[in-house]
Amino acid sequence: EPEVTQTPSHQVTQMGQEVILRCVPISNHLYFYWYRQILGQKVEFLVSFYNNEISEKSEIFDDQFSVERPDGSNFTLKIRSTKLEDSAMYFCASTGGTSSRNEQFFGPGTRLTVL
Amino acid sequence: EDQVTQSPEALRLQEGESSSLNCSYTVSGLRGLFWYRQDPGKGPEFLFTLYSAGEEKEKERLKATLTKKESFLHITAPKPEDSATYLCAVFGSGNTGKLIFGQGTTLQVKP
Repeated sequence: EPEVTQTPSHQVTQMGQEVILRCVPISNHLYFYWYRQILGQKVEFLVSFYNNEISEKSEIFDDQFSVERPDGSNFTLKIRSTKLEDSAMYFCASTGGTSSRNEQFFGPGTRLTVL
Repeated sequence: EDQVTQSPEALRLQEGESSSLNCSYTVSGLRGLFWYRQDPGKGPEFLFTLYSAGEEKEKERLKATLTKKESFLHITAPKPEDSATYLCAVFGSGNTGKLIFGQGTTLQVKP
């Protein structure tokens, strides 16, 4: 069964460093998302991506964040200068079909720890 | 503002003891409500999609229902392997697929 994969599973970094979180969405999906979940809190939307451009971003997704689909399979989230409060689980999700109103399938997540 | 509230926050059941989880939502025009299961340290696992009031979906011991203001996830005769956090989410305003999640209900089923 197709699934969303994410690497690495755990990333530890120093405050101020750049990190890149990687995702491989399900192959025929067209809509891609990043969410984050701070320990003990709700899953929060960060950004949606369609047709090689951002379709919506949240207030959390400031200038320190960027997303890219560098090739036909990968979808990345970059944090340019990490802060302590960026420590969280980051989930990639994708959905298929011709509408964004279908179920989203989530990856296993990357646990980001900023020291 | 779009909002999702789940109750209770935590639920402990004995194996075989049926119960229901609640998800109340406030959105300007519901375009879809989703139930996910999340195990500790893992990503949300899709369970159900509901689009209109009166709709019901079933999968094994789980049944999801939807009204104009809330959704219920009914668990019939649960087993210990049903222990997890159950998340409810709705589409936010706009048409980008942004999901708004509730806090979740953590279910523990004891043998």
